[in-house]
Amino acid sequence: AQTVTQSQPEMSVQEAETVTLSCTYDTSESDYYLFWYKQPPSRQMILVIRQEAYKQQNATENRFSVNFQKAAKSFSLKISDSQLGDAAMYFCAYSQTGDMRFGAGTRLTVKP
Amino acid sequence: NAGVTQTPKFRVLKTGQSMTLLCAQDMNHEYMYWYRQDPGMGLRLIHYSVGEGTTAKGEVPDGYNVSRLKKQNFLLGLESAAPSQTSVYFCASSYFVSGEQYFGPGTRLTVT
Repeated sequence: AQTVTQSQPEMSVQEAETVTLSCTYDTSESDYYLFWYKQPPSRQMILVIRQEAYKQQNATENRFSVNFQKAAKSFSLKISDSQLGDAAMYFCAYSQTGDMRFGAGTRLTVKP
Repeated sequence: NAGVTQTPKFRVLKTGQSMTLLCAQDMNHEYMYWYRQDPGMGLRLIHYSVGEGTTAKGEVPDGYNVSRLKKQNFLLGLESAAPSQTSVYFCASSYFVSGEQYFGPGTRLTVT
């Protein structure tokens, strides 16, 4: 079974600085999809960024970008110019056929 | 456009009681999902559906049943609730299996 590991239970960043959240996954498949979701205290799950495994180019969405290393099965999220509103739980997720697997999450704190 | 809605938002059950959680989406999505989220853990997939009249087991299906009689609705049933089923339950839907999943606001269920 596919597993997703987030090795950083908590991270902290100063406002306006950059932080990187780590994620590794285990799969024997070659075609799959990776996601980062954000869960603020409201509990609502919000998609941050999505990556198709067949694309070599790293996905970017405004201040959010990923470093996708397929051979290493690594999928880290970089948040640039951190804002107070970025404070939340961040979940990495893997999906191939709809059976999405989530990591345990990283709690990000943003210090003013 | 309500997106994904869940009914009820909160529920307290006694051990052995049964209940049904209702998920509804108005985006004409083919795929629908039920997850549970426990403290310190990411979301875990219970069951999912790839279309009206179809269902499939996810990572933690035991103790739950589902039905997808209409495309827009996905029901999650607990036949005999147990304290281990105390959790926050999320419903989600997506148009493609590889696409973004849109989440409902969650249902907090407590089994005493």
